[in-house]
Amino acid sequence: GESVGLHLPTLSVQEGDNSIINCAYSNSASDYFIWYKQESGKGPQFIIDIRSNMDKRQGQRVTVLLNKTVKHLSLQIAATQPGDSAVYFCAENMGGGFKTIFGAGTRLFVKA
Amino acid sequence: DAGVIQSPRHEVTEMGQEVTLRCKPISGHNSLFWYRQTMMRGLELLIYFNNNVPIDDSGMPEDRFSAKMPNASFSTLKIQPSEPRDSAVYFCASRPTPTTNEKLFFGSGTQLSVL
Repeated sequence: GESVGLHLPTLSVQEGDNSIINCAYSNSASDYFIWYKQESGKGPQFIIDIRSNMDKRQGQRVTVLLNKTVKHLSLQIAATQPGDSAVYFCAENMGGGFKTIFGAGTRLFVKA
Repeated sequence: DAGVIQSPRHEVTEMGQEVTLRCKPISGHNSLFWYRQTMMRGLELLIYFNNNVPIDDSGMPEDRFSAKMPNASFSTLKIQPSEPRDSAVYFCASRPTPTTNEKLFFGSGTQLSVL
């Protein structure tokens, strides 16, 4: 079935610590995964993506890990800053139609 | 680049009224998506277009909702008649290419309140 958000878990971290946000995706046929960041009053903004033929991809301060065996994604943010406070969504592109389906989201709160 | 432009930013209307939300995708983008965001259901895909043609409208809640894309630079989402349960933030997003896996670019959304 498609991912539908029902609850919004919260992760609270200290400034400077590393953050890990987890996501379970729904469709084993999905072949492209994206992490988005949404700040209050704004639309989701792209952070990093990964294709199904990879298991890790690194960006600037962010790393995405993909475990296809258990259909699990994680987003790691190094040296978390107050500006990282937002809601983070994982999304999957379902094969064929290239439509993007979003997960429930996780709220990240960074304590100064 | 102005990004994806949505209007209005906020809309307050009374139950039973017609509501029209508007979206201008990024120039040159050939796929356009409409999403609805609520606390209860998160970000739901309503419908998407490739090259101005509706591809999948399975997420449209019911016949009160309709979407059009008359040309590559404009799309509308209409609700008629509106109901209080339609209150949500509606996002439009676009993507350059219909047939490859790419990220979406989102507008700032329209906050709809139906009283």
